[in-house]
This record gives sequence, C-alpha cells and structure tokens, in this order.
Amino acid sequence: GAVVSQHPSRVICKSGTSVKIECRSLDFQATTMFWYRQFPKQSLMLMATSNEGSKATYEQGVEKDKFLINHASLTLSTLTVASAHPEDSSFYICSAINDRGANTIYFGEGSWLTVV
Amino acid sequence: AQSVTQLGSHVSVSEGALVLLRCNYSSSVPPYLFWYVQYPNQGLQLLLKYTSAATLVKGINGFEAEFKKSETSFHLTKPSAHMSDAAEYFCAVSEPGAQKLVFGQGTRLTINP
Repeated sequence: GAVVSQHPSRVICKSGTSVKIECRSLDFQATTMFWYRQFPKQSLMLMATSNEGSKATYEQGVEKDKFLINHASLTLSTLTVASAHPEDSSFYICSAINDRGANTIYFGEGSWLTVV
Repeated sequence: AQSVTQLGSHVSVSEGALVLLRCNYSSSVPPYLFWYVQYPNQGLQLLLKYTSAATLVKGINGFEAEFKKSETSFHLTKPSAHMSDAAEYFCAVSEPGAQKLVFGQGTRLTINP
C-alpha cells in the first residue's frame, strides 16, 4: 500500500484562486519532503525541498511567492498554488524519506491540477 | 550538475519480447541511478537502483539494469514483456546519498498482444 499519500488526486479551480495540495507520510516521519512538477510529456522537475519546521528551499526559477510550501509536522507538507493561472496546470508529486529508514525515497500518487 | 537523457519517448514491444529502455546520464561525481515506473493515475514506484555496488542491478517484476561507466548508461531491460508492464518509466540520477533526484523525460512503454 501507499506510504506517501497526496490529496487531492485531481483538482479543478478557477483562475485567480488558490489551491492547496497535501503530502502525507502515512507510517513514518519525514523531516524532508520534496515537491516535483511534471508538464505533459516532460520530465519531473524538482520545485523545492520542504523542511520540517523551517523554510522551504526552492530550485532556481521557482517562484516561492507563487508556490507556498509549509512543512508543519513530520508527516505533512503542503503545497499551495497561490492565485493559480492556467499555466500552473500540471501534475504535482511529492516524495519523502523515512527519517529512520534505509534511505528509500517514497513518492506520492501525484495531484493533477487544472486551472480554468 | 547532473542530467539524464532517455532515448525514445515511446517504446512499443510485443508481449513476450525483450524490453530495452535506454538511459544515459551526465554527472560530475559518481552517481546513484534509479529507474521508476508510473502506472496510470498512480505515483512513482521504484524498480531498482544503483548505488556503487554491483554494476548489474536486479529489480522488481523481472527488470534489471546495468551501470556502464564507460558509456555513461544505465539501460533497463526485461527478457520477456508482459501486458502489465505497460506504463511510464523514468530514469533518475542523484549524487551519492542525496535525496534530490534529477529525472529523465520518461519513456512510455506499450505492450502489443
């Protein structure tokens, strides 16, 4: 079964609204989680590293005021797409590593965002 | 900097035939290499990974990959394709011990009956 869960799996929102996507590690603690974005027929691109209790680290070219990341607990990281626009429509997927594990990276199921 | 190139965005094979998905990498440090599979509407599942031990790595579902430093390649193979292998496959690279992955563009594998 899934050890990292994302919610929602699909969301459609109106342009200008904000959307929150959750990433949960179900049976382990993860100090660090990662958020990726995948455009159609393209690769997954790392957006940011989510650090529990501190600010996220964003990759070059990713707008931190647009993609707000909050890692409030050791099992939950949230990605909020602020004032979404159609060009933000994409597949967003998170990953996490068990703090006590064997360095295995677990991915969530991903979330499809469509902005209309 | 690291990068990954997957040759062929779409590969189609017959059921029972050999599966070969190509991956070439670029890395300034000895890399860790991964193959992930993504079934429709699902997340990524790790097939196998190379972490500087044996160069021939065996994974789940009968897949294996061989690390060839001289060719900077990490091609994924399976001797006999099954219908259930139809999915998107991603090759990825990281620095040793790092948690951040750099992904290739993905290869969609189609299995013909």
